[in-house]
This record gives sequence, structure tokens and C-alpha cells, in this order.
Amino acid sequence: GAVVSQHPSRVICKSGTSVKIECRSLDFQATTMFWYRQFPKQSLMLMATSNEGSKATYEQGVEKDKFLINHASLTLSTLTVTSAHPEDSSFYICSASLAVSNQPQHFGDGTRLSIL
Amino acid sequence: RKEVEQDPGPFNVPEGATVAFNCTYSNSASQSFFWYRQDCRKEPKLLMSVYSSGNEDGRFTAQLNRASQYISLLIRDSKLSDSATYLCVVYRGGSYIPTFGRGTSLIVHP
Repeated sequence: GAVVSQHPSRVICKSGTSVKIECRSLDFQATTMFWYRQFPKQSLMLMATSNEGSKATYEQGVEKDKFLINHASLTLSTLTVTSAHPEDSSFYICSASLAVSNQPQHFGDGTRLSIL
Repeated sequence: RKEVEQDPGPFNVPEGATVAFNCTYSNSASQSFFWYRQDCRKEPKLLMSVYSSGNEDGRFTAQLNRASQYISLLIRDSKLSDSATYLCVVYRGGSYIPTFGRGTSLIVHP
């Protein structure tokens, strides 16, 4: 089945640091990837849609200058949390699928970000 | 009304029980539906797609009711290992952009 790899799985860093998270589709080409955030005991919230070769589409309320998304190839999207603060601590997950409406999303393992 | 709604539960059931969850969606143009399972502090994993005619995979049965705009998941003969949060995912009408329900927590006890 489709495999999506996400790295790193865990990040602990000081406030003010920028953190980059990578999401790779290993066995298929993903023109679109999605980035989510999940706080404890809450639902998965879509942050943005990452489009290969063009600008990401951000959901309402998500700061595009805070969460930089780059999708430079068909197999890699990156999310950079700039100048992270403790309130940015969360579980960040990416997903990818074949860009067809009846295909399910395949998720990366997630990145647990803790800002001290 | 939220795009996708689920009863958060928790549903507490004994081993061997049958349990069912529903998930309602607001966009009547939605075409694609899925059930995912998420274990604590892990990423969601696909459980099954939901087809118009309904589909079954072992102990799991998924159904779609377009008229009432909901999907359902039935789990028969519950196992302890079924304890997890079950997320329904609906693609926005005419697209493949996913919207997640908040999940339904299932706890299967001995």
C-alpha cells in the first residue's frame, strides 16, 4: 500500500526556534499533500493543502507566515514552524493521496513538537 | 452546523459486544467517505472506505445513507484491541480535500 514517511517524529526545542518537518510519499507521486495539527483530546484539524509547484492553500485562521509550506517535488512537502512558541506545541501530521476523489489519505507517522 | 460531526463518546462496551457509530456530514455534494482508526498519540490508519452500497470487512461493516447524510460503522464481536478513536473522513464535495470528524472513542473492556 501507499507509504508516507514523516520526519522527525519528535522535536523538543526552545522558544523562538524554527522547526522544519518533512513529509515524503515513498511509493507514489503526490501532487497534493495535507498538513494537520492535533491538540490533545481534540480532532485532527486541517491546516493547509500543499500543492506541488505552487503556493499552499491555508485554512481559515492558519497564519501562512507562521507555518511555511514548500512542496518542491512530487514526493516531498515540508512544513516549517517559524519562531515557534509553547502554544505551537502539538502533534503535526501530514497525509498524501493520489489526487483522485475516491482515494483515501495515507498518513505519515506524525511529529510531536514540544516548545519549551 | 459542522461539516462532519461525530459523537465523541466514549462508548464503553464489553468484549464480544456489537457497537455502532454514526457520522453526519453537511455537504450533500460529498462523494467520498472513509473510516479511520487512531490510537492514542499515533497517526490515523485507514480502516475502510465507505461505498454507496455498503461494505463489509470481517467484523466491520460500513454504510452510507445519502438521504440522511450520514455514514455508519458497525463493529461485531468487539475485541480489546478495538479500543481506539474512530474518525470519519468526508471529502469536500467534488474534491479530495478531507474533513475529519472529531472522532468517537471506543473502550472495549474484559
